[in-house]
Amino acid sequence: GAVVSQHPSWVICKSGTSVKIECRSLDFQATTMFWYRQFPKQSLMLMATSNEGSKATYEQGVEKDKFLINHASLTLSTLTVTSAHPEDSSFYICSRGVRETQYFGPGTRLLVL
Amino acid sequence: GENVEQHPSTLSVQEGDSAVIKCTYSDSASNYFPWYKQELGKGPQLIIDIRSNVGEKKDQRIAVTLNKTAKHFSLHITETQPEDSAVYFCAASIGGGTASKLTFGTGTRLQVTL
Repeated sequence: GAVVSQHPSWVICKSGTSVKIECRSLDFQATTMFWYRQFPKQSLMLMATSNEGSKATYEQGVEKDKFLINHASLTLSTLTVTSAHPEDSSFYICSRGVRETQYFGPGTRLLVL
Repeated sequence: GENVEQHPSTLSVQEGDSAVIKCTYSDSASNYFPWYKQELGKGPQLIIDIRSNVGEKKDQRIAVTLNKTAKHFSLHITETQPEDSAVYFCAASIGGGTASKLTFGTGTRLQVTL
């Protein structure tokens, strides 16, 4: 399977600040990566599809101006939570596909105070 | 769009017993069905998957069955061990490439007791 890393693994920030989360594909290049959000004891919800060299595709209900995605290289996608608020506190997980199979990173836990 | 339902939400079994988790999907075009295991505080790990051209797949103690007509698929874990305790998610997609989106079930918390 694919090897995906995320950084940081956890972050605590004050309300109103922005937080950047990195997702790296360590073994293969990835033209497409995915970002998910998972609230406690809930399932994974797809936020957006990150496309290398072009704009991300956001799922319905996800604010693209709040969750900025940049996929500037074939091994790195970043998610920036802008002006974070306590309700943005969640577990953010990225994945990359190998054919139709998705392999997930270890996740980033965000706590906004 | 696709909708995936998963049952049960919690499952407790004794070590050595079998565990079965069931999922149904709504979109008959879905053709790829992975299962993930998620331990506390970690990302999901793929444990087994099945494509629509196959009715059953087995990997050691884990097996998955697919009934395309009824649009449901199941995960079977035999000889359960304490380390099998985790949350399990089923998913479905219309597979075909690296941009295929997954729709997840709601998850099953499996507890294997000694």
